[in-house]
Amino acid sequence: DAGVIQSPRHEVTEMGQEVTLRCKPISGHNSLFWYRQTMMRGLELLIYFNNNVPIDDSGMPEDRFSAKMPNASFSTLKIQPSEPRDSAVYFCASTGTRGSEQFFGPGTRLTVL
Amino acid sequence: KQEVTQIPAALSVPEGENLVLNCSFTDSAIYNLQWFRQDPGKGLTSLLLIQSSQREQTSGRLNASLDKSSGRSTLYIAASQPGDSATYLCAVGTQGGSEKLVFGKGTKLTVNP
Repeated sequence: DAGVIQSPRHEVTEMGQEVTLRCKPISGHNSLFWYRQTMMRGLELLIYFNNNVPIDDSGMPEDRFSAKMPNASFSTLKIQPSEPRDSAVYFCASTGTRGSEQFFGPGTRLTVL
Repeated sequence: KQEVTQIPAALSVPEGENLVLNCSFTDSAIYNLQWFRQDPGKGLTSLLLIQSSQREQTSGRLNASLDKSSGRSTLYIAASQPGDSATYLCAVGTQGGSEKLVFGKGTKLTVNP
């Protein structure tokens, strides 16, 4: 298995631009998580899906952030418009059943200038 | 609100030493607890998962224990090696319908040859 796949690995953009991050979970996994990691705040859950349905989006910082999961093998996290304070590493993770291990992707390092 | 604390934030030891990393959490009503390893610029790798009904889990030179009543977990690393150098993160799974993980900020371990 290829593991959780994220793209792009690095993204540099200017303030005000739209950013789209992509994730492909492990095949057969039915829960997908989006996290953000910064030095100041550590690793924070933004949103998670179960069977393609958003379950908990309480960590989404504001309306500029949105996430979709159109099918079991693909999810996107969009930031529009982006701001310098959005600069962070964004991770996607997936898990097969409730209470089992979460497997993380390599992350997308986002820099907003 | 669940809070997870890891002390110390950084630890440096000579090769061959046995060591213990600590994790504490404020709400003992947890679903499970997971230890991860993160190498610089990389994603998280799951090391051990302890369900709330378990007291410990072992994998090779690693042993993780869980004491829910006191809100503590420890990760024991035997005969440390330079390749163990990384940041170790503890994450607590909450009870109820959510699959949310709450992370500590990690302990950065350096094993000196």
